[in-house]
Amino acid sequence: KQEVTQIPAALSVPEGENLVLNCSFTDSAIYNLQWFRQDPGKGLTSLLLIQSSQREQTSGRLNASLDKSSGRSTLYIAASQPGDSATYLCAVSGAGSYQLTFGKGTKLSVIP
Amino acid sequence: DTAVSQTPKYLVTQMGNDKSIKCEQNLGHDTMYWYKQDSKKFLKIMFSYNNKELIINETVPNRFSPKSPDKAHLNLHINSLELGDSAVYFCASTRAVTGGSYNEQFFGPGTRLTVL
Repeated sequence: KQEVTQIPAALSVPEGENLVLNCSFTDSAIYNLQWFRQDPGKGLTSLLLIQSSQREQTSGRLNASLDKSSGRSTLYIAASQPGDSATYLCAVSGAGSYQLTFGKGTKLSVIP
Repeated sequence: DTAVSQTPKYLVTQMGNDKSIKCEQNLGHDTMYWYKQDSKKFLKIMFSYNNKELIINETVPNRFSPKSPDKAHLNLHINSLELGDSAVYFCASTRAVTGGSYNEQFFGPGTRLTVL
């Protein structure tokens, strides 16, 4: 059974810092990995999708990497801003199944 | 235009009642899902429908019944509501899974269900 772990559970940084969020998964047989952002009381916004054959994806100040063999992904946020404050969720889709298995998220606070 | 929409956004009801949550997507996707986010914010799959057929039914109580009248809609009906059903329910959709290719999931805004 796939398990996804995100470390740290919470992170507080001053504005302008670069930061890394970590995600690990137990079963490396995945189709893809997706990073989401969730604001309080809101739905999930997809940030980046990495197919299992890819190593990384970039969107603006965000860069996500995937090391499938070691079961790890990182989300790098450059030059953080207060508007980046949210909970970041990592999710993987497993081979032979269609649903996403989520981690518990990292709650990020960027202090002005 | 909202890609994945859910109604209602909030639902407050008494224990024992029956309620439904509706979901619609205008993305032309073939696969739709229901997820539950509990009080600890943990998201877990409940159901998945591909072209109106149930393809996953995780171990949820049979009081929960998904219904898909067409591939753009996936509704969730809940019978005999219990206190533990209080959660946020999210609908999501994606293009059909073909040949191992699996695409990005898009989520609705969620329905916050409170059972009193």
